[in-house]
Amino acid sequence: QQQVKQSPQSLIVQKGGISIINCAYENTAFDYFPWYQQFPGKGPALLIAIRPDVSEKKEGRFTISFNKSAKQFSLHIMDSQPGDSATYFCAASRALNYGGSQGNLIFGKGTKLSVKP
Amino acid sequence: NAGVTQTPKFRVLKTGQSMTLLCAQDMNHEYMYWYRQDPGMGLRLIHYSVGEGTTAKGEVPDGYNVSRLKKQNFLLGLESAAPSQTSVYFCATQPGQGAKEQFFGPGTRLTVL
Repeated sequence: QQQVKQSPQSLIVQKGGISIINCAYENTAFDYFPWYQQFPGKGPALLIAIRPDVSEKKEGRFTISFNKSAKQFSLHIMDSQPGDSATYFCAASRALNYGGSQGNLIFGKGTKLSVKP
Repeated sequence: NAGVTQTPKFRVLKTGQSMTLLCAQDMNHEYMYWYRQDPGMGLRLIHYSVGEGTTAKGEVPDGYNVSRLKKQNFLLGLESAAPSQTSVYFCATQPGQGAKEQFFGPGTRLTVL
């Protein structure tokens, strides 16, 4: 059972355009929603994260939009650059001590973003 | 300050062979994780540890064992490797209960023939 569904699988955007990646979750107990960025041959690294008490969080060109009622959240990359070309993973975790899971992250399957110059 | 390191970086095994992957961290983090990454599958949790001497099963634990004898090291063992275990393995650490950011190592690419 996939608890975090991510789309699209791949995305091609022109330089300067807006990249949008979407994720949907099922478990209403999730309380932490991070996005990780992974370059080829490297491990993932935290890009930005949000909690469900806010609807939007912005850090530079990266914005998370969160819709609690729809159980969806998305990553927007403004003014996309070739250096943003990477694979992006959304994730979610439950509150700590919920069912003994210790708040383990559940990842989406990833979106490969290519930004064309 | 090396962060999270993984040994080895690459390995080729034959079916039935055994091996151990080592994850080492110098950040004094309490929690450590082992994930596998397969094309189109995202990151799937194999085993994790919330402190020295503790381990627990994740989503895909079958065929793997782990140990956390020292706080800074988390070992992942394959007792009898199978082609289905061909994957890229990532170790990650997390400071503890209050901080949820995970820090990933560079990965180990394992091929089982």
